[in-house]
Amino acid sequence: DVKVTQSSRYLVKRTGEKVFLECVQDMDHENMFWYRQDPGLGLRLIYFSYDVKMKEKGDIPEGYSVSREKKERFSLILESASTNQTSMYLCASQGGGFQDIQYFGAGTRLSVL
Amino acid sequence: AQKVTQAQTEISVVEKEDVTLDCVYETRDTTYYLFWYKQPPSGELVFLIRRNSFDEQNEISGRYSWNFQKSTSSFNFTITASQVVDSAVYFCALSAPSTGNQFYFGTGTSLTVIP
Repeated sequence: DVKVTQSSRYLVKRTGEKVFLECVQDMDHENMFWYRQDPGLGLRLIYFSYDVKMKEKGDIPEGYSVSREKKERFSLILESASTNQTSMYLCASQGGGFQDIQYFGAGTRLSVL
Repeated sequence: AQKVTQAQTEISVVEKEDVTLDCVYETRDTTYYLFWYKQPPSGELVFLIRRNSFDEQNEISGRYSWNFQKSTSSFNFTITASQVVDSAVYFCALSAPSTGNQFYFGTGTSLTVIP
């Protein structure tokens, strides 16, 4: 069975803190993605990665960075959290090309106070 | 440019009613894939179906059916005899070679099934 695990379901952080969101997949997938989900806006792509140490900006990369040191792990980093980054964050992985299914984790609901 | 529109923001139905969720897409690619996902209150997006642009056959899976029409650029999803467990947010998505592996999601339709 496909498994994408996000390290935290809920997080509460203070403005200015550095925040790490972790995502691990056990399917040996090449591609991994970080999305942000906000009411009325659907899912918006923050960053994605095609391979270890490779990263590409999505539609809303500002204020975020990512790290992929190992194939199975993709981390989203908020260098200095701000209140407008309060949101639901979803990680996904995908085996190959554009035709392949993206499998999602359960999400991390982040609140920045 | 790719775009997916789910015009219905929220729908409420009474249990056992049928309900159709609309999805309209835009793409210039001739090859593309369409997807539906379900997001229950637990938060995880669950894959429901994938359809490629060359296969316009409708698909039925239990109470779920999908109607793909290239002529109207639509990929609608119908739930027959809805149940409370169908309450969720449903997303339609598009992927195409010109945009790499990126999925383009609609804004989602929140379905509430009232017992």
